[in-house]
Amino acid sequence: GENVGLHLPTLSVQEGDNSIINCAYSNSASDYFIWYKQESGKGPQFIIDIRSNMDKRQGQRVTVLLNKTVKHLSLQIAATQPGDSAVYFCAETYTGRRALTFGSGTRLQVQP
Amino acid sequence: GEEVAQTPKHLVRGEGQKAKLYCAPIKGHSYVFWYQQVLKNEFKFLISFQNENVFDETGMPKERFSAKCLPNSPCSLEIQATKLEDSAVYFCASSQGKGVEEKLFFGSGTQLSVL
Repeated sequence: GENVGLHLPTLSVQEGDNSIINCAYSNSASDYFIWYKQESGKGPQFIIDIRSNMDKRQGQRVTVLLNKTVKHLSLQIAATQPGDSAVYFCAETYTGRRALTFGSGTRLQVQP
Repeated sequence: GEEVAQTPKHLVRGEGQKAKLYCAPIKGHSYVFWYQQVLKNEFKFLISFQNENVFDETGMPKERFSAKCLPNSPCSLEIQATKLEDSAVYFCASSQGKGVEEKLFFGSGTQLSVL
């Protein structure tokens, strides 16, 4: 069986509800942030990104909010679907450094 | 190719043996990155390449780990004398350019189990 994220926080929601996944970052120099979705057996998949000169960015059913004052990032998923079930990671970096620093993942479980 | 191809999918090694992982980036992508994911959670950056040149190796363990991206060959990550703590999924990613907003495309990873 899978030995998956023994200490992974889990968010369980009903299909159709909105989901909010949070992330705290540590580097105040970070100026670019990304949310990734990771399904079982796959690599991270880009969802949405945001630059530090913005505090909100919307995509299709997803919104990212950035609060630089408290170094907090959130991902909102509207009308959550079973296909959204996965582990979600935030990542940060800064101009001049291409490598990403990932946060701890959050498992999203969508109940039909 | 249209996706990052990593081989093998699974690799089992006894402690002390060598492990070699391969990555073919998306055609036309100049940047390749290696990340290590332990216990399906924490990602750690290892090394990146711009074509065949090392771009950033700040995450690379000084001993036992090496990587190459040679022209007309898949990139490789090699671990000499593997240890139990090397057990992880190793992901390769590629991007077209070096700008921080250039999207990274990840492969499906190689699961390395050191016994």
